[in-house]
Amino acid sequence: DTAVSQTPKYLVTQMGNDKSIKCEQNLGHDTMYWYKQDSKKFLKIMFSYNNKELIINETVPNRFSPKSPDKAHLNLHINSLELGDSAVYFCASRKRGGGADTQYFGPGTRLTVL
Amino acid sequence: DQQVKQNSPSLSVQEGRISILNCDYTNSMFDYFLWYKKYPAEGPTFLISISSIKDKNEDGRFTVFLNKSAKHLSLHIVPSQPGDSAVYFCAASVGDRGSTLGRLYFGRGTQLTVWP
Repeated sequence: DTAVSQTPKYLVTQMGNDKSIKCEQNLGHDTMYWYKQDSKKFLKIMFSYNNKELIINETVPNRFSPKSPDKAHLNLHINSLELGDSAVYFCASRKRGGGADTQYFGPGTRLTVL
Repeated sequence: DQQVKQNSPSLSVQEGRISILNCDYTNSMFDYFLWYKKYPAEGPTFLISISSIKDKNEDGRFTVFLNKSAKHLSLHIVPSQPGDSAVYFCAASVGDRGSTLGRLYFGRGTQLTVWP
C-alpha cells in the first residue's frame, strides 16, 4: 500500500543521455512536487503540479521537463544529462486545502551521471 | 538564500534522555512549520507540525515549540530511543498564497544519533 512510489530507485547513466523518473501517488491528492536533494543534502523544490497544471517551476534548466498525464502521476524527464544532475530526486504529494501543508514523499531516485 | 536553517549538522544523545533539535527561519511570512524524519535510502516522513498561531504542539514523545518573535522552532523528543536515530529536517511553508501552492522550504537537516 505504498502511498507515493517512484521508479526506478537507482539510475546510473552516461552524460548526454535522456532519462525519465516516474512517480505515482494513490492518496487522491491534488498537488504533486519534485524535489532535488544535492550533494550538500539540501532539499529544494523543482516543480509543482496541481490537477495536471504546472504551478511552480523553480528556475530549473529546461532540460528537465515534468509531465503529469493525470492527477495521480507526475513524471520527470531529463534530457542531455550532465554530471551536476547527479542527486537524489524525491516526488511528493499533498491534499490541497484544509490548512494542512503536510506533504508525503516517495522513497527517492538516486541518479548518478557518469 | 537559505530561509530555513538548521545550524547543528549532528546531535548525539543517550537513550532515555531528551533530544532537542533546533531550527531558525528568516521569512516572517511562513505560517506553517513541519518536522520530517528521514532514514537512509528512504524518503522524508512527516513527523509533526505546528501552525504559526500556536506556540506548542505535542504528539506522544514529540513536541514542537514555536517562538515567532525569535523566528525559532525546536523539536523535543522525550524519551529518546535508538530507533529515533535518523536525519531530521525542519521545513516551513507560506501555505497557498499566490502561486506558492504550499511549497516547503527545508533546512539542511540534523543527524540524530541515540545511543544505548
